[in-house]
Amino acid sequence: GQQLNQSPQSMFIQEGEDVSMNCTSSSIFNTWLWYKQDPGEGPVLLIALYKAGELTSNGRLTAQFGITRKDSFLNISASIPSDVGIYFCAGLRTYKYIFGTGTRLKVLA
Amino acid sequence: KAGVTQTPRYLIKTRGQQVTLSCSPISGHRSVSWYQQTPGQGLQFLFEYFSETQRNKGNFPGRFSGRQFSNSRSEMNVSTLELGDSALYLCASSSSGISTTDTQYFGPGTRLTVL
Repeated sequence: GQQLNQSPQSMFIQEGEDVSMNCTSSSIFNTWLWYKQDPGEGPVLLIALYKAGELTSNGRLTAQFGITRKDSFLNISASIPSDVGIYFCAGLRTYKYIFGTGTRLKVLA
Repeated sequence: KAGVTQTPRYLIKTRGQQVTLSCSPISGHRSVSWYQQTPGQGLQFLFEYFSETQRNKGNFPGRFSGRQFSNSRSEMNVSTLELGDSALYLCASSSSGISTTDTQYFGPGTRLTVL
């Protein structure tokens, strides 16, 4: 099935460091969503983006909808151990969401 | 407001059997989408229901089917189970459908294991 290109695939970081991940596509999307998923649970919505160029924050999280509408990034500032998990981007196009392959984040205390 | 609920949370079946999974969306939400999540394929869209009608469908075989009731609750059925159907099945709801700026909220998932 179709998936978005999400990078990095995984990352280990030290507690307190900032984290950046992104999603890219060759196609235009109308909406970008960022989710976090813990093992065995469903994804939890972090941030929703609806307009090209939009920059939205949610606590230590900041996400941007790319100007070209083909990409989005998510930043996590001052990471903490509970940030561990898999982060997914999702783009809305032709009435369905396409998901990224996920970024597995591991935070070292 | 209660979130999306899915039952059962865990299921073990054998090849050839069939299974039915249930999803109750957030109150007021009329769109329900189903996804299959596996380590190798990631999150794959199965289908979306809105007002009891299947509005969108992914690329899955006909063994995967679903329906939505008048109260927006949805069920997904998989017939003639195969080993490769082992996955986490996720349900997501949104208020008016994924064709707008609506946002999808996921349930906790049903972990299906096929032996």
